[in-house]
Formats: sequence, structure tokens, C-alpha cells
Amino acid sequence: DGGITQSPKYLFRKEGQNVTLSCEQNLNHDAMYWYRQDPGQGLRLIYYSQIVNDFQKGDIAEGYSVSREKKESFPLTVTSAQKNPTAFYLCASSIAADGHEKLFFGSGTQLSVL
Amino acid sequence: GENVEQHPSTLSVQEGDSAVIKCTYSDSASNYFPWYKQELGKRPQLIIDIRSNVGEKKDQRIAVTLNKTAKHFSLHITETQPEDSAVYFCAASNSSNYKLTFGKGTLLTVNP
Repeated sequence: DGGITQSPKYLFRKEGQNVTLSCEQNLNHDAMYWYRQDPGQGLRLIYYSQIVNDFQKGDIAEGYSVSREKKESFPLTVTSAQKNPTAFYLCASSIAADGHEKLFFGSGTQLSVL
Repeated sequence: GENVEQHPSTLSVQEGDSAVIKCTYSDSASNYFPWYKQELGKRPQLIIDIRSNVGEKKDQRIAVTLNKTAKHFSLHITETQPEDSAVYFCAASNSSNYKLTFGKGTLLTVNP
């Protein structure tokens, strides 16, 4: 369904812990994105990657890190520096990162703090 | 940067009525305006988009209109059905800015 897979579906983080969210796509898309969704806040961009081995900060990158070692994969690490990590995280991909292409979303990961 | 305002935040209509959701944007250079639908517990999906060289676009029961002078665009759903119930997000981007800026969403409820 959509060719983009996120795991796990639910994740719990202890204080001071780093956690990593997985995102894999088999659509052969160059661009990948991470969005954070909070109730009533829409979708806010954390990081995006236009091509392998390259990524840029979005609007709310503080406390997060990413890597893009393979075209298919764009994992997101929520670090202990992110003081309010509880949210629904959506990964997306598009053919190119020109802002005019259809985004294909994963099914999301709900992160909660213990 | 771009700022997208979306109204209303919630909308309740009777089945068969029309629904209209409005968005305004701040960056006059924006030229691409998609709408995404997110059903409860599901991923957002693109339902329609419009580019700045077009004033209106229709796809069956949904349509989008764009007023570049006023910097606003709207989603129109006619003959609403219960399966139209979802959160709808508008967004905007321009050619020099890679990314979409999303509105905060509208929860549409269609009552049978």
C-alpha cells in the first residue's frame, strides 16, 4: 500500500533515551521527508533529503537527526535533546524534492514518553 | 517563510450538502497548492492539486479554486457522503522552495 513502510507503529521513549524510527520505500523516489503531526497543528517538516548522502533541516529540526545512506531508507532519530517528543511521526517520499510532486506517506509511528 | 492559514478548523454538514474549506497563504511566489485527506487512523493522501496558471480544477465531486491576487484557495466538496469525513490539509509551495507548508487542517464530519 503506497510502497513506503514505517516501523514500529508504536514506540515508547524513556527520559534521556535516543530512539530511532524506520522508514523504507520501494518506489525508487529520490526525495524523502519526515513530518511531525500534533493535534490541531498540521504537518510540520523535520528533515528532508533530496538525494542519497544529502539532507537538510526543515522547520523543527532541533532534537532530531537523520541519515540517508541508501536511497530506500531515511531513518529518524529522536534524541534526548528533544524535550517534547510525544507526537505522530509521518515519513513521506516523492519522485523529486521540488515541492511540486505528490507526497506518498507511510502509515506513521506514534511516539510516547514513559 | 511561507505561512498557510486554514479555516474552519472543524466543519459539520449533513449528507448531501456542500462543504467549503478555505486557505490563505503569505508568499506571493507560491505556485503549487495541493489538498490532502487523512481519514481517521490512516495516512494522508493527495486528493487534488492546482498550479498557479489555473483558476479552478475539478475532479468529480471535488473542486479547488485559486485567487492569486487575494492569495487564497479553497476546496469545495459537493453532495457530501459519510466517507468524506476526514481531516483535510491544504498546502503551498513555490518553485524556489523545495518544501510544502501545510495548514493546520480541517476536521470535516458528514452526518448521515
